[in-house]
Amino acid sequence: DVKVTQSSRYLVKRTGEKVFLECVQDMDHENMFWYRQDPGLGLRLIYFSYDVKMKEKGDIPEGYSVSREKKERFSLILESASTNQTSMYLCASSLLGLGWSYEQYFGPGTRLTVT
Amino acid sequence: GESVGLHLPTLSVQEGDNSIINCAYSNSASDYFIWYKQESGKGPQFIIDIRSNMDKRQGQRVTVLLNKTVKHLSLQIAATQPGDSAVYFCAENNAGNMLTFGGGTRLMVKP
Repeated sequence: DVKVTQSSRYLVKRTGEKVFLECVQDMDHENMFWYRQDPGLGLRLIYFSYDVKMKEKGDIPEGYSVSREKKERFSLILESASTNQTSMYLCASSLLGLGWSYEQYFGPGTRLTVT
Repeated sequence: GESVGLHLPTLSVQEGDNSIINCAYSNSASDYFIWYKQESGKGPQFIIDIRSNMDKRQGQRVTVLLNKTVKHLSLQIAATQPGDSAVYFCAENNAGNMLTFGGGTRLMVKP
C-alpha cells in the first residue's frame, strides 16, 4: 500500500513563527503536492513538485515556500505564519502520469492553527 | 453537487437506499476524472476514476457516470451504509499531472 505520512496531525503556532510541515511518501512517486483545505472551498493547490529540487507554484503560493531535497520528502514552509494560514494542510503524491491514472495518494493532513 | 463559497452541499439518505452525488466540471478538455471520499479527520481516499473515452465505470457498490455533453459527473453508491457518511470530492485532470478539485458534497446516512 502507498503510504503518505505527515509529520504532525495537529500544530499550534504563533503569528510570525516559521513553520515547517513535512511529508514523506514510500512509493517512489515522482510528483508531490501540497494543498490547503478550508470549509466549503475544497482543496486548493499551494505548490507541487515533479522531481527532486523542482517546484512549481499552484493556485495559492503566496506566503508559502517548499523544499524537495530527496525524492520521498516534500516540505512546506510558512516563512512567517499568519492567522489566515490557519487551515488543514494535505500532502499528496502520484506517479508521473504516463499511464491511465492521475490518482493522487493523500496523507492524513495537518491541522495548523496560528494564534 | 458543486459547492460555491463556504457552504458545503449536503445529501441525506436513508441507510440501504442508493445515493447519487453530482459534480459539474469546468473544462471540456479534461480527459480524466476521479472521486475521493474524505472521512472526518482523515485525508481523501480514492474511490473510483474514469477516463473521458468512457461513459460509465463500476466498482464495488459504486458507479461513476460521465456525461461529456453537459460536463457532468455523478457518483452512485448502492445500498448506502453508515460507513459511507463522509465528504465526497470530484476532481478533473486537464493539464499535466494536476487535479482540480470541486468543493465537495457531504453525505449523511440516516440509520
